[in-house]
Amino acid sequence: AQSVSQHNHHVILSEAASLELGCNYSYGGTVNLFWYVQYPGQHLQLLLKYFSGDPLVKGIKGFEAEFIKSKFSFNLRKPSVQWSDTAEYFCAVIAPYGNNRLAFGKGNQVVVIP
Amino acid sequence: KAGVTQTPRYLIKTRGQQVTLSCSPISGHRSVSWYQQTPGQGLQFLFEYFSETQRNKGNFPGRFSGRQFSNSRSEMNVSTLELGDSALYLCASSQTVAGELSYNEQFFGPGTRLTVL
Repeated sequence: AQSVSQHNHHVILSEAASLELGCNYSYGGTVNLFWYVQYPGQHLQLLLKYFSGDPLVKGIKGFEAEFIKSKFSFNLRKPSVQWSDTAEYFCAVIAPYGNNRLAFGKGNQVVVIP
Repeated sequence: KAGVTQTPRYLIKTRGQQVTLSCSPISGHRSVSWYQQTPGQGLQFLFEYFSETQRNKGNFPGRFSGRQFSNSRSEMNVSTLELGDSALYLCASSQTVAGELSYNEQFFGPGTRLTVL
């Protein structure tokens, strides 16, 4: 079964700083990749997803992620964060031809200081 | 379009009791998945239902069970509650089509916060 690793569980940064969150997965076959965000008191919602094609994926609110197959990574980036980006971010992976089950990383708690 | 709804939003139970949680998917979505979210373990997959059939199951004991109705609404049940079952239980629906292997986006509900005393 696939597993997902996210490091640096707690991230604190100032507004306008750049953000990069790492995501590594373990699975040798075809995967679909996702980043979800959970704002305080709100539902989990999708930031972006990768199924195939261009490995650089752009999502909502200025976020982007790059799939590097050789590194089994799908890192999330935002060039300039805002206070409203304070949230918990989850990387998730599914193996559609495997167990077809969504596996989440432990999440990154990001706090942006105004 | 209304989102995924879950009831109740909060529950307090005592050890040994059983509990039933309900999830109504987005209209037209036929797949419903359940997850347990805890601070220590994060988000863990419980099971997935499609067309009233359990299509996928995570590594949880048999005390955790579920079902799906013909209108795609789903319930999950936890019997003989333990303190460690305290968690946020999330339901997600997607438009997965039977036989389609590519995965569609899952839309999450607000969750049911279960506290076991």
